[in-house]
Amino acid sequence: GQSLEQPSEVTAVEGAIVQINCTYQTSGFYGLSWYQQHDGGAPTFLSYNALDGLEETGRFSSFLSRSDSYGYLLLQELQMKDSASYFCAVLSGNTGKLIFGQGTTLQVKP
Amino acid sequence: GAGVSQSPSNKVTEKGKDVELRCDPISGHTALYWYRQSLGQGLEFLIYFQGNSAPDKSGLPSDRFSAERTGGSVSTLTIQRTQQEDSAVYLCASSTTSDEQYFGPGTRLTVT
Repeated sequence: GQSLEQPSEVTAVEGAIVQINCTYQTSGFYGLSWYQQHDGGAPTFLSYNALDGLEETGRFSSFLSRSDSYGYLLLQELQMKDSASYFCAVLSGNTGKLIFGQGTTLQVKP
Repeated sequence: GAGVSQSPSNKVTEKGKDVELRCDPISGHTALYWYRQSLGQGLEFLIYFQGNSAPDKSGLPSDRFSAERTGGSVSTLTIQRTQQEDSAVYLCASSTTSDEQYFGPGTRLTVT
């Protein structure tokens, strides 16, 4: 089967750093994506890792280790607006089909 | 520019009725995807279009579900004889590259 595991909830305070882990088991793997979704909103793209290592985009970074079938999203200098659900998703083929995890709800507290 | 749009934003229907959901992708995006999201869950892939053809329909849950795309643009997802388990948010996404997909606001379908 195909599965992605990520924590269901994470809580952190404003200004802190938080890491959301994702492990995956899929029949095909082209890369790992991260999407953010605010309540009632559309998912928005954050990052994509096709190769091992760290990708940095502003306050957000994403890491991939293909040998460990593992990745994480790192959010720095947390702001209240970062409270949202974060989904890891495996790009399982060259068609763009994404297999999503169940999502991690991040709550940022003052 | 304009993003992905979907209509209707909300649809309430009675069990057994047919529904049509519409997606207008970003202009020029050749790839189009339909996903389904149940409350508090992740997104479930339904179907992928490249142009007007659908090389991957593997996620359609039953033969009550069908989709088409015309003119390489607008797509409609049709659910026949709706069931209560079909209640979910149906999301459409479009892209030019497979690594970044742009999602629409979704259609919230409620089957009573």
